[in-house]
Amino acid sequence: GQNIDQPTEMTATEGAIVQINCTYQTSGFNGLFWYQQHAGEAPTFLSYNVLDGLEEKGRFSSFLSRSKGYSYLLLKELQMKDSASYLCAVESNDYKLSFGAGTTVTVRA
Amino acid sequence: DGGITQSPKYLFRKEGQNVTLSCEQNLNHDAMYWYRQDPGQGLRLIYYSQIVNDFQKGDIAEGYSVSREKKESFPLTVTSAQKNPTAFYLCASVGSRGYEQYFGPGTRLTVT
Repeated sequence: GQNIDQPTEMTATEGAIVQINCTYQTSGFNGLFWYQQHAGEAPTFLSYNVLDGLEEKGRFSSFLSRSKGYSYLLLKELQMKDSASYLCAVESNDYKLSFGAGTTVTVRA
Repeated sequence: DGGITQSPKYLFRKEGQNVTLSCEQNLNHDAMYWYRQDPGQGLRLIYYSQIVNDFQKGDIAEGYSVSREKKESFPLTVTSAQKNPTAFYLCASVGSRGYEQYFGPGTRLTVT
């Protein structure tokens, strides 16, 4: 099975940087996804890491260390529209995703 | 346009009734998934199907049933045996391993 932990809530100021950590314990690991979910809506894909290191995509970056069972999502130049829940999900060998409970990020002016 | 559709967006049922949630995709994806989301919790996998006419139980399959008779469709039935059916239900599909799951808009089911 999978055990995935991420902080429940984070608050930051517009224009700032926020780092959302995710730790996992897995019985089979294929890759790690980050999704963004606004209230009442479906999750949307942000990033996918399969190898160790940093993947940068515009204002969002994601990092993975497989040996440590650790990932983070970095949000730069925060905007009000970035207020949402951010979900860490681990893909196992059988096509299944296991999701963390999500981190609610609140951006304040 | 390609995508995943779920209908209806909101659904209300009386306790003791079975209800079927629809999920259709025209992305030509092989694998499809059903998740349930409760407030303050992550998505939990109910059932998934990697190919037509085959499906597997996820982590919380009790009280639910599915079918996969066509590649495009993966309906979920919430039976009266499901003790706490009120939740937000999300359907997803993926083309192949290592690619993101595409989610439908979700169905919010309320059972009273």
